[in-house]
Amino acid sequence: GAGVSQSPSNKVTEKGKDVELRCDPISGHTALYWYRQRLGQGLEFLIYFQGNSAPDKSGLPSDRFSAERTGESVSTLTIQRTQQEDSAVYLCASSFGGQGVEKLFFGSGTQLSVL
Amino acid sequence: SQQGEEDPQALSIQEGENATMNCSYKTSINNLQWYRQNSGRGLVHLILIRSNEREKHSGRLRVTLDTSKKSSSLLITASRAADTASYFCATGANFGNEKLTFGTGTRLTIIP
Repeated sequence: GAGVSQSPSNKVTEKGKDVELRCDPISGHTALYWYRQRLGQGLEFLIYFQGNSAPDKSGLPSDRFSAERTGESVSTLTIQRTQQEDSAVYLCASSFGGQGVEKLFFGSGTQLSVL
Repeated sequence: SQQGEEDPQALSIQEGENATMNCSYKTSINNLQWYRQNSGRGLVHLILIRSNEREKHSGRLRVTLDTSKKSSSLLITASRAADTASYFCATGANFGNEKLTFGTGTRLTIIP
């Protein structure tokens, strides 16, 4: 596709369940980012992938959060044993990367609601 | 924690007026970017200014950067109702750290 694609667009889950969020970056983009945005707040960095380098996981809030990326393609963000405070919009972005931080292209996000 | 802090948090102006938003940051940067967000979902890149630049224009947008004060401003001239959105500054540093750090945002409302 032409842009960054995220699925699902909305996810409602019960507290304690695991969820998996998917991101398809723009083809050819080596850098991929996950951010979290709580209602009315700014973007909170979660994790960054660049090519085959070890990911920067410094923003993951707890060990319940993990993310994977296969090569320079799809990424999945997994949240285990979800809590109500995990409710937020999870945004994925990609860029050409490798030359310092440049313009990011964002997906439309996944709205996660934990009941 | 947030690297950038936008000021004001919210701004309402009449259509046709100019809107100015400010961003302050804390650490050395390689570049500073401004993004727009409609309806709380995906962000759209507006403009990027590098640390060795002082001013940049794109259509009705004008961005300034003062690295000595660690601050930037975004000016939208001749505002339109469609400019109603949240605006975020984001800072990038390629000193071994390529993550883009976002500020808290300014909510801009254009009154028709």
